[in-house]
Amino acid sequence: DTGVSQNPRHKITKRGQNVTFRCDPISEHNRLYWYRQTLGQGPEFLTYFQNEAQLEKSRLLSDRFSAERPKGSFSTLEIQRTEQGDSAMYLCASSLGEDSEKLFFGSGTQLSVL
Amino acid sequence: QKEVEQDPGPLSVPEGAIVSLNCTYSNSAFQYFMWYRQYSRKGPELLMYTYSSGNKEDGRFTAQVDKSSKYISLFIRDSQPSDSATYLCAMSAIQGAQKLVFGQGTRLTINP
Repeated sequence: DTGVSQNPRHKITKRGQNVTFRCDPISEHNRLYWYRQTLGQGPEFLTYFQNEAQLEKSRLLSDRFSAERPKGSFSTLEIQRTEQGDSAMYLCASSLGEDSEKLFFGSGTQLSVL
Repeated sequence: QKEVEQDPGPLSVPEGAIVSLNCTYSNSAFQYFMWYRQYSRKGPELLMYTYSSGNKEDGRFTAQVDKSSKYISLFIRDSQPSDSATYLCAMSAIQGAQKLVFGQGTRLTINP
């Protein structure tokens, strides 16, 4: 399968713990995006990378959130001191080129904060 | 008020029916309009992409954009049970897929 891969698929954690998610984009795609989706809502933009550079961050991305994409390949999204409000599906997507309108999404990581 | 409004449904129709899904938006800067389909426990999948106003057809799917009314639609002809999913509209003010603004999604069920 050469699609966008996200791990883990599910994560259950206690409030206050740190969690990290990983995304492996389609290999030739230079853009990588993180979105968050809560139940019954559409995805909300969090941040995106072009190669290893993080070009934009949403105001939704508080100081407890950090994303990296070392070497322009896979990306990690870390949430520190998790809160119950962080419970959501975290979706990663990738695209090829600056003008590409086609996002390829992974199946997401479902985070539950107890 | 949200930038993009979409009726969450649920919408249930018999197999073979024509389905109409709609979104309204408030930001007149939006120029690029997309429809995504999302199956349960999966990520969204791009169905249709249109630029500015007009119609675009792809098989059983037709996307319409009316910028003067800030209204977009997706029509599904000859609906199939496999079309049962959540349909999300998405929009952007700039070319490319960055920073899409999604609607809430409409949950659609096609009954055999």
